[in-house]
Amino acid sequence: SQQGEEDPQALSIQEGENATMNCSYKTSINNLQWYRQNSGRGLVHLILIRSNEREKHSGRLRVTLDTSKKSSSLLITASRAADTASYFCATDTGANNLFFGTGTRLTVIP
Amino acid sequence: NAGVTQTPKFQVLKTGQSMTLQCAQDMNHEYMSWYRQDPGMGLRLIHYSVGAGITDQGEVPNGYNVSRSTTEDFPLRLLSAAPSQTSVYFCASSGGTYNEQFFGPGTRLTVL
Repeated sequence: SQQGEEDPQALSIQEGENATMNCSYKTSINNLQWYRQNSGRGLVHLILIRSNEREKHSGRLRVTLDTSKKSSSLLITASRAADTASYFCATDTGANNLFFGTGTRLTVIP
Repeated sequence: NAGVTQTPKFQVLKTGQSMTLQCAQDMNHEYMSWYRQDPGMGLRLIHYSVGAGITDQGEVPNGYNVSRSTTEDFPLRLLSAAPSQTSVYFCASSGGTYNEQFFGPGTRLTVL
């Protein structure tokens, strides 16, 4: 399977702390994307990083990509209770499809 | 824009019944796809379409059919429902350069 793997599976932090989650994948990619899923809802696209980029920022989100290690990390700074959700990485190998990981469940405690 | 819409939101079927999950998008996206999400399994691709009249299989296509007669609609048919098809089904569409996908709210299907 080309599916990515997120680590950790679950993460619980206090409001205001930073949250870091990691994604590893198996094949060459065109880009890697991160999505958020609130409980019982559809996924929402957060940020995309292309294979020739190493770091990208969007508001409180910072994504890094290391293609030599086939890994990416998502950092959420100054977390809020509203950030409580599951976070998924998805890899685009150029074959028209995205391959999703199994997700990290983040709980931010007020 | 309504984005990606799915109906119904919830459905209960008996083993052997058939049904169609509806998906529509109003963003004029060429690419549409269906995923199923099971606990601890992430999202798995069932079928996808790169444009009207073109469909292809994903990772877990067995037991499902799709068609794409228009750009807007991409229905998913369960031919003979089985308990293993109990899942949450998501439809998604994409029209961007980098294949960023827009998801519908999902259909929660239970097969008894």
